[in-house]
Amino acid sequence: SQQGEEDPQALSIQEGENATMNCSYKTSINNLQWYRQNSGRGLVHLILIRSNEREKHSGRLRVTLDTSKKSSSLLITASRAADTASYFCATGNFNKFYFGSGTKLNVKP
Amino acid sequence: GAVVSQHPSWVICKSGTSVKIECRSLDFQATTMFWYRQFPKQSLMLMATSNEGSKATYEQGVEKDKFLINHASLTLSTLTVTSAHPEDSSFYICSASDRLRRAGGEKLFFGSGTQLSVL
Repeated sequence: SQQGEEDPQALSIQEGENATMNCSYKTSINNLQWYRQNSGRGLVHLILIRSNEREKHSGRLRVTLDTSKKSSSLLITASRAADTASYFCATGNFNKFYFGSGTKLNVKP
Repeated sequence: GAVVSQHPSWVICKSGTSVKIECRSLDFQATTMFWYRQFPKQSLMLMATSNEGSKATYEQGVEKDKFLINHASLTLSTLTVTSAHPEDSSFYICSASDRLRRAGGEKLFFGSGTQLSVL
């Protein structure tokens, strides 16, 4: 991808379990964002973490950022079948936004 | 949240024809809009950055004469795929950021995408 890699590429879990996705990026950043995409649709913004933050929470989402390793992780706790989607990290600014390769999450009911 | 409308949702065309895709920000002013291309099961590839009233900035490898971008107003950007060929078949997505940062200027708001199939 233009941005970097995410792993795993695909993740299948049971409802109620936690899902962790990782993202690595290539350049210096001001912030890192996570987006969700349902199949064949546009993306929806989930959460933004700034470069001076190490961890951020929003509902069942927890994001960490390690700028020294140029990596971030997204944790979804107590997953639901409705969380089934692809998840992408993104970095950029007003001029450019690049996305990671994405993780396809399947939550089995 | 801010709304971005993209039309059409899908289009089928013959080789050699041109296809125009519209992207509108409905309730905010978008100084900058981004156009992405997505192949099945892959990530979004940034094609170009479109600034209102100026020429678009294309990513390396993207043909500007092939993918014409016009950002004539703060609420409308268009992507025209000229002389389309089967290899242009893809999912095209536009996005925009809120100029006034009412919704957090660094966030992107996405259209629902356009599936282009060239026969």
